[in-house]
Amino acid sequence: AQTVTQSQPEMSVQEAETVTLSCTYDTSESNYYLFWYKQPPSRQMILVIRQEAYKQQNATENRFSVNFQKAAKSFSLKISDSQLGDTAMYFCAFRRIPSGGNMLTFGGGTRLMVKP
Amino acid sequence: DGGITQSPKYLFRKEGQNVTLSCEQNLNHDAMYWYRQDPGQGLRLIYYSQIVNDFQKGDIAEGYSVSREKKESFPLTVTSAQKNPTAFYLCASSIGTGGFYNEQFFGPGTRLTVL
Repeated sequence: AQTVTQSQPEMSVQEAETVTLSCTYDTSESNYYLFWYKQPPSRQMILVIRQEAYKQQNATENRFSVNFQKAAKSFSLKISDSQLGDTAMYFCAFRRIPSGGNMLTFGGGTRLMVKP
Repeated sequence: DGGITQSPKYLFRKEGQNVTLSCEQNLNHDAMYWYRQDPGQGLRLIYYSQIVNDFQKGDIAEGYSVSREKKESFPLTVTSAQKNPTAFYLCASSIGTGGFYNEQFFGPGTRLTVL
């Protein structure tokens, strides 16, 4: 079974600064997908960014980028130019290929507070 | 607007009562999912359904039941056998079950409190 660990329960960052959220996972699979989801105070889960394990290039989506280290089984999320609207819970998630059901395994989450 | 609706937003029930949480989607998605979220924990999969009239247990199915009689609907029943039902419940759907771009879309959730 896969496990996903987010070792930072809470973090804070000043507006306009950069912050990195950590995620590690454990799997015996060689190919898989990784995701970061955002859950703002409204509690609506939103996909932030995704990464295919067999692609070396790190994914980027505007101010969000990942540092994917496959050998270390690490998948950190970097948020640049932090904005107040980035305040949320962030969850790292893993999906096997094939999953037989598109099932996601989530980490415990990191609560990010962006301060003005 | 296309999306996933969950009702009600807040639900209170007495201990020992069964309760059904609604999840409806108009995205024409084949697959639907139910997750439970507890404070300090990530989402855990309760049940999922890849197609109408079929569903599979997730990691924490004990004390829960589901049905999938229609493509757009996937109700979750929290039975009296669920020992600690107070939690936040999230429903999700996806077009199918394979592929990198086959992301799950989430509903707004239902907060269930058992008194």
